Amino acid sequence: NAGVTQTPKFRILKIGQSMTLQCTQDMNHNYMYWYRQDPGMGLKLIYYSVGAGITDKGEVPNGYNVSRSTTEDFPLRLELAAPSQTSVYFCATRFGGTEAFFGQGTRLTVV
Amino acid sequence: QKEVEQNSGPLSVPEGAIASLNCTYSDRGSQSFFWYRQYSGKSPELIMSIYSNGDKEDGRFTAQLNKASQYVSLLIRDSQPSDSATYLCAVTSQGGSEKLVFGKGTKLTVNP
Repeated sequence: NAGVTQTPKFRILKIGQSMTLQCTQDMNHNYMYWYRQDPGMGLKLIYYSVGAGITDKGEVPNGYNVSRSTTEDFPLRLELAAPSQTSVYFCATRFGGTEAFFGQGTRLTVV
Repeated sequence: QKEVEQNSGPLSVPEGAIASLNCTYSDRGSQSFFWYRQYSGKSPELIMSIYSNGDKEDGRFTAQLNKASQYVSLLIRDSQPSDSATYLCAVTSQGGSEKLVFGKGTKLTVNP
């Protein structure tokens, strides 16, 4: 039982490149979230999903895209990476109104 | 107005003291409230959850919720150096329980 798995753990991207951050969960949770955390700051919600095929924007969705084709997977796509997207990205899952469980994070640097 | 606001830090307390962390939220329909602890370079981990008005105690931690005032707090009694971390308040909104929004966090340092 791995919980919430994020890949990669670290990545350096050049300006203008694209990449996908992967998030997979084996807890059968319906809700999934993507957050970014800038140094010394809290978590900002990028996108979230309440189930397969359903996604919605959070506080800072610009520059990102998501999809949710299965319960288990919720990838985050960065198109045309910019230095402002340098951050630590966390994926989280919840079941209904309960607490969220987090992955280990992906540290992304855009240069 | 931001959805979730936490009292500005950093907060420094001596070992054995009570640390008080505060959080306000803007959505009156919010139903679920959480406090997370985050050590530097690590993922957030749940400390407390609270869903109804009043106090909820778990060991040295007490969460307090006042929905009328849209206020939730966390008290840490007998603070220990190992409690030094950033504490994040999280609140559900969007009319139900789907959207989970975090505050900026309060960095707590407990001095031996």
